[in-house]
Amino acid sequence: RKEVEQDPGPFNVPEGATVAFNCTYSNSASQSFFWYRQDCRKEPKLLMSVYSSGNEDGRFTAQLNRASQYISLLIRDSKLSDSATYLCAVTLYGQNFVFGPGTRLSVLP
Amino acid sequence: GAGVSQSPSNKVTEKGKDVELRCDPISGHTALYWYRQSLGQGLEFLIYFQGNSAPDKSGLPSDRFSAERTGGSVSTLTIQRTQQEDSAVYLCASSPGGEPQQYFGPGTRLTVT
Repeated sequence: RKEVEQDPGPFNVPEGATVAFNCTYSNSASQSFFWYRQDCRKEPKLLMSVYSSGNEDGRFTAQLNRASQYISLLIRDSKLSDSATYLCAVTLYGQNFVFGPGTRLSVLP
Repeated sequence: GAGVSQSPSNKVTEKGKDVELRCDPISGHTALYWYRQSLGQGLEFLIYFQGNSAPDKSGLPSDRFSAERTGGSVSTLTIQRTQQEDSAVYLCASSPGGEPQQYFGPGTRLTVT
């Protein structure tokens, strides 16, 4: 079983739709969790950290479910500019970052 | 402030040649990571440096790959006797001490012909 797994997609959604991605991790001792966004042929950029209590940043909501070992990212009112690949990342003791393979999102006009 | 920089941005080399890729992390960041990303694929961890500790080399795919970090700052990834399967984007990331999130450089696109 891979350490971090994501549905590769693509998720094709219309503008204004709500879309959610999940990311599962295998190491129950994982400590920190992140969502990164990667545009085509660009480097990944940190989108948001994921906190145990869940956190929101504008249209983006991230949640952590330690019991089931997954994190989620919800995007509301999706925009064309949200089209990208979304990578989840999991760390153990602040090092040993493991990235998921990414989920590709296409927001259609 | 300045972000992570990498050079060259693109490198085309012939099979069998050696290449050196450079990474300048954000000033003051103690941790530095190298990843490889093939077209349409996820990030493959290569090596991790943290301060003066011995690097975690567990992700290096073969002994043709090596990396060093001089003075706790600039890092160089060296690939000897390049093969076509080494073609990928090589990404460097740094993170500050005490904060786990990483900041990526723009990458070096390596093409081995």
